[in-house]
Amino acid sequence: DAGITQSPRYKITETGRQVTLMCHQTWSHSYMFWYRQDLGHGLRLIYYSAAADITDKGEVPDGYVVSRSKTENFPLTLESATRSQTSVYFCAVGDGQFLNTGELFFGEGSRLTVL
Amino acid sequence: ELKVEQNPLFLSMQEGKNYTIYCNYSTTSDRLYWYRQDPGKSLESLFVLLSNGAVKQEGRLMASLDTKARLSTLHITAAVHDLSATYFCAVDMDSNYQLIWGAGTKLIIKP
Repeated sequence: DAGITQSPRYKITETGRQVTLMCHQTWSHSYMFWYRQDLGHGLRLIYYSAAADITDKGEVPDGYVVSRSKTENFPLTLESATRSQTSVYFCAVGDGQFLNTGELFFGEGSRLTVL
Repeated sequence: ELKVEQNPLFLSMQEGKNYTIYCNYSTTSDRLYWYRQDPGKSLESLFVLLSNGAVKQEGRLMASLDTKARLSTLHITAAVHDLSATYFCAVDMDSNYQLIWGAGTKLIIKP
């Protein structure tokens, strides 16, 4: 049971193309997050969702779109990829204790290269 | 500007030694987290610190939080090679579950 599955794990695309990264959880936890990780920057929050059909912007939302029609899925779309979006993208989930602890559980990451 | 600063950013040490990683943050918060990341891997939660004076220990790692000083420390006792990883601290600045992350401390422990 992987818990959190991200796909694809590796993706190479070209500038201007649309790319969707998928995050799937095997539980039904409410909170889901998308982060990007760049060298020297730690992690930066792109978007998050508190429940199905509820999403909100994080620190660096420009150029990204999210949706959450089902509780278990939280796709992240780059509508027109740019080279600056080359990064490692992590999906994270807050479990049933999240509102008390704020602790996150991360997927394995999706490494995206935009040429 | 909300900032979380870790130091050092890189640390190479010998097995058996003790060392401390520091995490300073720029505004008040009672919620601080430590995560570990192995190269090319995901992030793993190590410690959740939810109040001033909180101290937690797991094996050779101990984390503490001083909210008045806006400082958390991650102390490594008698380091072993398996602790080699990058360690991140993250702070919930506004109690809205949006974390601000430090840049990470890359720790290399030599046999």
